[in-house]
Amino acid sequence: ETGVTQTPRHLVMGMTNKKSLKCEQHLGHNAMYWYKQSAKKPLELMFVYSLEERVENNSVPSRFSPECPNSSHLFLHLHTLQPEDSALYLCASSQDWDRVRKLFFGSGTQLSVL
Amino acid sequence: DAKTTQPNSMESNEEEPVHLPCNHSTISGTDYIHWYRQLPSQGPEYVIHGLTSNVNNRMASLAIAEDRKSSTLILHRATLRDAAVYYCILRDGGGKLIFGQGTTLQVKP
Repeated sequence: ETGVTQTPRHLVMGMTNKKSLKCEQHLGHNAMYWYKQSAKKPLELMFVYSLEERVENNSVPSRFSPECPNSSHLFLHLHTLQPEDSALYLCASSQDWDRVRKLFFGSGTQLSVL
Repeated sequence: DAKTTQPNSMESNEEEPVHLPCNHSTISGTDYIHWYRQLPSQGPEYVIHGLTSNVNNRMASLAIAEDRKSSTLILHRATLRDAAVYYCILRDGGGKLIFGQGTTLQVKP
């Protein structure tokens, strides 16, 4: 148990659906992250939030919309996705954004887009 | 972002030491060297990190070359549960951790 919980663990959606991924951390951290892990590719950093403000947005398509209502919760809203968006989506947290010593990851949401 | 180079895969026998190499010839003076591992069906987990001196913790040891252009993660006695993808990552002063392809470690009984 790393203290970072992601739901759901698995998600299948059609290209016209709207769904949301949820992440919650119980570690008292100030920074939260979304990473994408496609098959046989390195993890890609998507978004970073520090104290509920977005500090990093790595050219992610607008069909992915993050939300950080407080420092413990992070969402990734999905709409009109493409099959190539199928991947493992990982949430992580760290004490601070600007001096990352350790990232704590959740187990991820395995997303399939049909 | 500074890059790291790791072998794609390595094999080890159970209960033997494992040395996982990483080259980072473009490392800058302020880059920290981090290691994470990812077990099957899980998110990555932190293993160890260091700047200049060798580091030890309950999971592993990190040996850093004097010129800091390479480092080695040492698992002292590999177990079957150590089979994972191991990532060597450089963190700059800004804090971003950029993952590469990593080394897939197989542990044979």
